[in-house]
Amino acid sequence: EAGVTQSPTHLIKTRGQQATLRCSPISGHTSVYWYQQALGLGLQFLLWYDEGEERNRGNFPPRFSGRQFPNYSSELNVNALELEDSALYLCACGGLFGGDTQYFGPGTRLTVL
Amino acid sequence: AQSVTQPDIHITVSEGASLELRCNYSYGATPYLFWYVQSPGQGLQLLLKYFSGDTLVQGIKGFEAEFKRSQSSFNLRKPSVHWSDAAEYFCAVGARLGSSNTGKLIFGQGTTLQVKP
Repeated sequence: EAGVTQSPTHLIKTRGQQATLRCSPISGHTSVYWYQQALGLGLQFLLWYDEGEERNRGNFPPRFSGRQFPNYSSELNVNALELEDSALYLCACGGLFGGDTQYFGPGTRLTVL
Repeated sequence: AQSVTQPDIHITVSEGASLELRCNYSYGATPYLFWYVQSPGQGLQLLLKYFSGDTLVQGIKGFEAEFKRSQSSFNLRKPSVHWSDAAEYFCAVGARLGSSNTGKLIFGQGTTLQVKP
């Protein structure tokens, strides 16, 4: 069974640009969660999508947004990139057959220059 | 507020020695608790979880953890460490609002494990 996949692996952008990160969950899982892992700040919850709806968001500005598609895959969009957005962005999935457990993907390393 | 504390930022053990990584949580009700492991530049791999029931839970790679409500702890143990266990370990609690899932995991700051040959 395939695990959680994320693309791209690495992404380099300049300040002010927009970044789009993608996540495909494990088959049968209906929820997607996004986390930011920035140096010195630890793992911070960003967003939770379930059945196509945003269910909860962490303490991040509105320029962090996303969506979930009918096949349960998800996009995270970060607008007006700032230097401090440089981080590893981790996607996790769960829900339905995954229950309350979150299974993580390999992450996308975003570098903002 | 719900929180997780991992008191040890860095631990070094010899290969073959036993290991215990500490985790303390702050939570009003019975928590959902997790241990994850992260190798450099990689995602998080679930080692084990506790939702309810038997307070000693077994996980993958020979790890186990014990939930102690009286001490608000969920320490991770392994009887004999292998060099491949060197990584960063995160304890997490599933944040809930009353009985509802918020979808949010609250993570500790992590413990880096170094294994000496």
